[in-house]
Amino acid sequence: SQQGEEDPQALSIQEGENATMNCSYKTSINNLQWYRQNSGRGLVHLILIRSNEREKHSGRLRVTLDTSKKSSSLLITASRAADTASYFCATVPQTGANNLFFGTGTRLTVIP
Amino acid sequence: DAGVIQSPRHEVTEMGQEVTLRCKPISGHNSLFWYRQTMMRGLELLIYFNNNVPIDDSGMPEDRFSAKMPNASFSTLKIQPSEPRDSAVYFCASSGGQGAEAFFGQGTRLTVV
Repeated sequence: SQQGEEDPQALSIQEGENATMNCSYKTSINNLQWYRQNSGRGLVHLILIRSNEREKHSGRLRVTLDTSKKSSSLLITASRAADTASYFCATVPQTGANNLFFGTGTRLTVIP
Repeated sequence: DAGVIQSPRHEVTEMGQEVTLRCKPISGHNSLFWYRQTMMRGLELLIYFNNNVPIDDSGMPEDRFSAKMPNASFSTLKIQPSEPRDSAVYFCASSGGQGAEAFFGQGTRLTVV
């Protein structure tokens, strides 16, 4: 990828369990964003965390950011079958440019 | 607003033909991005515009690829001549400011045979 890597590449869990996905990136960032992509569709923005923030919540989503390790994690609690999708992190560089670089994605399957 | 609109949704063309992909960003957004998605390479940023001006086209794979944004409501990505390895899903996205969330279109699935 142009900027980051997610792991794992694929994750399969039972409905009701929590899902954790990790993202590592390479350069200093202005912010980091998480997106979701259902098969055959465009990406949908989930949550944005700025470089001076360490944790952010939105509904069942919790995002953490560790700029010293250049890593972020996305936690989905109490997963549902409808959460099945690919999840991508994307970074905006600190340079002031508006490039939005995506990682390789994690394919999440939630088994009902 | 109807969101980011891309056309066509699907395109099948023969090798060597010219292909033009179109995008209408969300009204009021000043940044527009073109991405290419394949299984092998993931989601690649090809080019992005700010206020209709191309800012970074370092992701454009070859001279066969060109992108224009003649006004704030329209952009094109052209491939001439097309090759089978250009087969991918091409996404257009727009955002309302530096570092803001991006809104994606539904993509154009291009198949070059």
